[in-house]
Amino acid sequence: AQKITQTQPGMFVQEKEAVTLDCTYDTSDPSYGLFWYKQPSSGEMIFLIYQGSYDQQNATEGRYSLNFQKARKSANLVISASQLGDSAMYFCAMREISQGGSEKLVFGKGMKLTVNP
Amino acid sequence: DGGITQSPKYLFRKEGQNVTLSCEQNLNHDAMYWYRQDPGQGLRLIYYSQIVNDFQKGDIAEGYSVSREKKESFPLTVTSAQKNPTAFYLCASSQATHTGELFFGEGSRLTVL
Repeated sequence: AQKITQTQPGMFVQEKEAVTLDCTYDTSDPSYGLFWYKQPSSGEMIFLIYQGSYDQQNATEGRYSLNFQKARKSANLVISASQLGDSAMYFCAMREISQGGSEKLVFGKGMKLTVNP
Repeated sequence: DGGITQSPKYLFRKEGQNVTLSCEQNLNHDAMYWYRQDPGQGLRLIYYSQIVNDFQKGDIAEGYSVSREKKESFPLTVTSAQKNPTAFYLCASSQATHTGELFFGEGSRLTVL
C-alpha cells in the first residue's frame, strides 16, 4: 500500500494566484515528519517545508505553507502568489523509521505544477 | 561551498556492463542515500547508510551495490543484474536535526544502450 499519495498528476494555475497541492499519508507511528520538495526541469531536488507530527502550528516558509490535518492524514502544500518559477514537479515525502531504527524518507509519485502568465 | 557532488551527470553503458556512480558530500552529514527516479514513479530508495561501514537495503536494492568506507563518499554500482537500469539517480545526505531534511545532488542520468 502506498504510504504517500499524491493524486493530482498535474495542475495549472495563473500567475499570482494561490494553489494547493494535495498529499495524504499512511502511518501508524505516532512520531513522523512530512516534507515537500520541488524538482525543476533541471532535476535537482529542493527542500521547501517540513511539518513534524507533534508540531502544533502549521509550518510556513515564505510563500509556502503546509495545511496539516492530522486526523485526516493530509499534508497539503499551499503556494501563495504563484510565480512562473514555481513551475516544476512537487513531491511529498514522509520520514519513517525502519525496524532497525534507521530513518529514511518515502516519497510520493509527485505532481506537475504549471504556472501560466 | 558545502554540498553534494554526483558524477558523471550523464552516462551511457552497454548491456552487461557494471557502472559506478560517484557521490561525495562535504556537509559532514552522517547519513547518505541513493534514490532512483523513473517517469511517473517518484523517487524510490535503493540503499542508505547511517554511518561509515554500514548500509541498509532500500525498497529496490536488487541489482545494485554500495560501499561506505568514508563519511563523505557513498558510491553506487549498477550491476549487470539490474534488469532496467536506465533511470535518473539521485544521491542525498542528511544530519540528525529536528527536521532531518535531505540535501540532494544534481543527479546522474544513466542510459543503457
